[in-house]
Parts: sequence; structure tokens; C-alpha cells
Amino acid sequence: TQLLEQSPQFLSIQEGENLTVYCNSSSVFSSLQWYRQEPGEGPVLLVTVVTGGEVKKLKRLTFQFGDARKDSSLHITAAQPGDTGLYLCAGAWNQGGKLIFGQGTELSVKP
Amino acid sequence: EAQVTQNPRYLITVTGKKLTVTCSQNMNHEYMSWYRQDPGLGLRQIYYSMNVEVTDKGDVPEGYKVSRKEKRNFPLILESPSPNQTSLYFCASSLDGDGNSPLHFGNGTRLTVT
Repeated sequence: TQLLEQSPQFLSIQEGENLTVYCNSSSVFSSLQWYRQEPGEGPVLLVTVVTGGEVKKLKRLTFQFGDARKDSSLHITAAQPGDTGLYLCAGAWNQGGKLIFGQGTELSVKP
Repeated sequence: EAQVTQNPRYLITVTGKKLTVTCSQNMNHEYMSWYRQDPGLGLRQIYYSMNVEVTDKGDVPEGYKVSRKEKRNFPLILESPSPNQTSLYFCASSLDGDGNSPLHFGNGTRLTVT
């Protein structure tokens, strides 16, 4: 069974702090995506990374794909209450169609 | 507006009573997929479809059926629901299912089987 381990599972921080969420696997992915989900809604795509070592920035969010394409991280700088939500990583393989999600990281940013 | 529409949003049923959750997308996407979301387990793929009349099992297909007779619709069928199928279900679609295109999700169907 191919697994995508996400950590930490829960994170509660104060506004202004920095944080990093990790997504690790023993499998090599052709691409990896990060989603954010709010209560009562479906996940929404934040970013897709496809090249080993790739770094993408989205305002205060920085995403990195590991050199071997087996892991990824999401770093948030100066977190704000609006960043609160469930963050999910998802990996895909060249075979197409199958997409595996990590368990998710429940982030709470307190004012 | 581009969207994935699931119905119903909430469903309470009893063990063994067949049910269907509908899913429709208006983006002409080739790829559609069903997931269930349970606490601590993230999203687990049930079935997916790369195109019309083409469906494949995901990681947790037992107890579920799907069909893809038309491009826009991908219903999820539970022939004989059991309590362990109580969960939050999401339908999603994307352009081609290669993992590079964004997945567009519906707003979910919360199913309770008693």
C-alpha cells in the first residue's frame, strides 16, 4: 500500500508565528499537490509541484518538492487567523488516475 | 459558474437500503473521482473514471459502485449500505487526471447509516 504521511496532524499557534507542514512517502511521485479545506466545503487547490527541488511561493506560503520527489513541505510565514483550516497534500503517479492524499494537518491560528 | 454539484448534502439511511449520491460537473472534464473523508484518515479514493465508460477502483472500493454513462455525471451507488460507510463523501473532477491539473471538489455529502 502506498502511503503519504503528513505531519503534524494538529497545529495550534498564535498569529504571527511561522510553521511548517511535512508530507513524506517512500514512493516517487510525478507530481504533488497541496489543498486547503474549510469546514463544510471541499478542498481547494493551492499549488502543484512537478520538478524535484522545485520551490513555489504563494504570498506567505512556500511549497517545496523534495529532490527525489518523495516528499514535500508547506511553510507559512507570519500565520494569520485566515490561514486556519485543514491542509492536505496529494501525490500522483505517472500511471494516471490514482491520487493519494495525506491524513491532513488541522491548523488553528489564534488572534 | 464552473462547479461540481453533489446531491444530497446530508443523508441518513438504514442498513441495507440502496442509495445513490449524484455528482455532476459542468466543466467538460474527462476525469472524475469519488473520495470518502474520515477523521485522521484524510481523503481516500473510492473509484475514479478517466473518461466515459471507463472506471477503475481506488483504494477503498468495497461496498460501492459507480457508472460513467455520460461525461458530466458520475453517480456513487451503495447497493447495501452498512454503518462503516458512514462518512463524508466528496466528488471531484479535473481536466485529465494526470495529477497536474487541479481537482475541483463538490461540497460533500454527509452520509449516516444506522
